[in-house]
Amino acid sequence: NAGVTQTPKFQVLKTGQSMTLQCAQDMNHNSMYWYRQDPGMGLRLIYYSASEGTTDKGEVPNGYNVSRLNKREFSLRLESAAPSQTSVYFCASDRADYGYTFGSGTRLTVV
Amino acid sequence: GQSLEQPSEVTAVEGAIVQINCTYQTSGFYGLSWYQQHDGGAPTFLSYNALDGLEETGRFSSFLSRSDSYGYLLLQELQMKDSASYFCAVYMDSNYQLIWGAGTKLIIKP
Repeated sequence: NAGVTQTPKFQVLKTGQSMTLQCAQDMNHNSMYWYRQDPGMGLRLIYYSASEGTTDKGEVPNGYNVSRLNKREFSLRLESAAPSQTSVYFCASDRADYGYTFGSGTRLTVV
Repeated sequence: GQSLEQPSEVTAVEGAIVQINCTYQTSGFYGLSWYQQHDGGAPTFLSYNALDGLEETGRFSSFLSRSDSYGYLLLQELQMKDSASYFCAVYMDSNYQLIWGAGTKLIIKP
């Protein structure tokens, strides 16, 4: 099925551990995004990539790094996880009719 | 700063009509989008308004007034499956970056 695929769906990390969240889309979209969503809040942009080979910081980039590996894949890395990074992470790509298509999310807990 | 205001919670009865409002203050504006998110799920795109007026898609309609920096989502013939959070989001510029409201939880009672 066409769409955005995120892995893993769930993850528990200890403080200081690192991990990479993977995201791939098969819709040939240029732009891809990483968001975090905390309980009762809207989505906050961490990083985005307007096209292959480019990445830019969003609203809350501290503690994260990204890689746009190719047009399909956009990964998010936490180098040294902190409890404040406990959240639900969503990857998205843009649609031509001005809508985003989101992945199913990664529920991350840092203990 | 940028801000979008929407009610935190709205309650309605199955079969009724409900309107969810959104007012925005942003330094740029290309359009207003609405998304639906069920508990534990991902946001899904509902509608987009770039020009003033009403856009209708089945039971859902979305309205925009650029002069008033205001929009709303109208849901008709409410069904229990419409129980979800609804987010308005503003496109700030041509890069399709979105600024999101905090969301409105819609509770539907039988």
